[in-house]
Amino acid sequence: EPEVTQTPSHQVTQMGQEVILRCVPISNHLYFYWYRQILGQKVEFLVSFYNNEISEKSEIFDDQFSVERPDGSNFTLKIRSTKLEDSAMYFCASSASGQETQYFGPGTRLLVL
Amino acid sequence: GQNIDQPTEMTATEGAIVQINCTYQTSGFNGLFWYQQHAGEAPTFLSYNVLDGLEEKGRFSSFLSRSKGYSYLLLKELQMKDSASYLCAYTGTASKLTFGTGTRLQVTL
Repeated sequence: EPEVTQTPSHQVTQMGQEVILRCVPISNHLYFYWYRQILGQKVEFLVSFYNNEISEKSEIFDDQFSVERPDGSNFTLKIRSTKLEDSAMYFCASSASGQETQYFGPGTRLLVL
Repeated sequence: GQNIDQPTEMTATEGAIVQINCTYQTSGFNGLFWYQQHAGEAPTFLSYNVLDGLEEKGRFSSFLSRSKGYSYLLLKELQMKDSASYLCAYTGTASKLTFGTGTRLQVTL
């Protein structure tokens, strides 16, 4: 069964450093998403991406964040200058169309020190 | 505004039936999703309701009432492995999922 994959599974970084989180969505899916979940809290939407552009972003997704689909398979989330409060689990998700089921990757646990 | 509520914790016995309720308020609503999340893992899709009524899938069923802004997830024949958080989420006019805080279900012997 096709699945969303994410790398790395864990990332530890120093405050102020740049991190890139990588995702490979399900191959025939057209909509891609990033969510985050701070420990003990709810899953929060960050950004959605369709047709090579951002279709929606939340207030969390400020200028420090960017997304890119550099080739036909990868979808990346970059945090330019990490802050302590960026420590969270970051989930990538994809769906075949905008209102269909979103399937989540296993997540990247980011720890900012 | 947007609001979605579900109980924080529930406990049930192995073999029993449990119902997890979710209420939501949003100016635009398209569909209601239920996901299961084990600790430290990703949300896993369980069910999707767009129309009013009950959707049954094996031991899991989900109900939606659009007019009441209400959904529930029904788990039958509970097993120990069903101990997890159950996340209610909706989509509106945009495709993003808005999640509740999740209901942590503990299944006991």
